[in-house]
This record gives sequence, structure tokens and C-alpha cells, in this order.
Amino acid sequence: QVVLTQSPSASASLGASVNVTCTLSSGHSGYAIAWHQLQPDNGPRFLMRLNNDGSHIKGDGVPDRFSGSSSGAERYLTISRLQSEDEADYYCQTWGTGFQVFGGGTKVTVL
Amino acid sequence: EVQLVESGGGLVQPGGALRLSCAASGFNFKEFGMHWVRQPPGKGLEWVSGISWHSRTSVYGESVQGRFTISRDNDKNSLYLQMNSLRPEDTAFYYCAKTSMGGTTYSALDLWGQGTMVIVSS
Repeated sequence: QVVLTQSPSASASLGASVNVTCTLSSGHSGYAIAWHQLQPDNGPRFLMRLNNDGSHIKGDGVPDRFSGSSSGAERYLTISRLQSEDEADYYCQTWGTGFQVFGGGTKVTVL
Repeated sequence: EVQLVESGGGLVQPGGALRLSCAASGFNFKEFGMHWVRQPPGKGLEWVSGISWHSRTSVYGESVQGRFTISRDNDKNSLYLQMNSLRPEDTAFYYCAKTSMGGTTYSALDLWGQGTMVIVSS
């Protein structure tokens, strides 16, 4: 079974950039993932699908400040020019026959 | 407007049952696999169950296997989750979500509802 590992927290100053990392378990580095944003009092929001080659397809209306990249088993979400509304929990998700899996989530704090 | 709207949550005693509904609009519901995902208070997202576009395939997470049943009515653009033998640890916000690729059961989830809260307590 695939396991996704995320750091519990990340922070950066207003206007700066922050990276959120999702690591795929051993033997599963070829999996695509999706990134989702979860803000208080809102349902999750799909940000993008990110493939193992780094190509990604963003959801409707997702700002250009959000981008994704990949390296081996690592999948990255980069948020540039941080704004206060970016303060949220970010989850990675992957899938296969018979399952969907989520990472533990990363809380991004805007300083 | 493309959206998913959940309903049916509430307070239920341990051992009780509840049926959640998810109304879909703005897209061709019958083409897409659908899933339920939950978030217990203070915890992360947990996949609960999924169903194929044609209802022939349904799958469940280990924690709900044998107690929950997922179903859909494509004529009514609706997804359901029948929850039986509820436990306090089932307390969570429950979200329905749509797969991003038509004709598949498993893919990125690209549309989410606002969620409905289920509280299991005596």
C-alpha cells in the first residue's frame, strides 16, 4: 500500500515563497498525486494534479502563484508571493485500484 | 454552477445508523466515479469509500468495511452513504468528491462539497 508523508507544518513571510513536500513510500515513486487546500469552514479545494515528470494540471481558478514539481519520490507544492488567504492545511492524495490515500497534511502559516 | 452539496449529517447514538446524500449539479454526473472522504475533528483527511460511474464497483476503507454502503442514482445525480453500526470514532466532517477523469473509479479528486458533520455520541 502506498503511503504519503508530509511535514506537519511550514511557514514563510507574507510575499515570500513556501514549499510543501509530499514523499511517496518506497517502490511507489512513479505515482501521480493531487494537491488539495483545506481552509477553516470551507470544503477542500483541488489545486492540481502533479505527475512524476513534474507536469501538472491545475484546477479552475487556481492562481498562478501555485505550482508543482517532482523529483524521484518527492512531490512539491510551491506557493509564491504568499498571501494571508493562503494560510491553510494542504494535503496530497494518490490513488490506485481499490484505494485512495491522503498524506497527513501540512499546515502553512503566513508570518 | 458546478457543485456538490452534502446533507444528512447529525447527532446519532453509538450503534445507530445515518444516511448521507450528495447532490451533484453542473457536470455529467453519470460519467464520473465518486468518493466519500472524512475529516475527524483535529485530524487529517481519510478516504472512506468510492463507487464507479456505473455502480458495478464499490470499495471501502478498512475502518468502515462491512458497516458502510456507498450507492448512487445517476437519474437523480445523487450519491449516498449508508452508515450502520456507527462508532464514536466515525465522528467527522464527511465530504463527497468527484474523480477528475470520466470513466474511471480512481483518479485525482477535482471537486469537493462543503461537507456534512456526523457526531456519534450518547
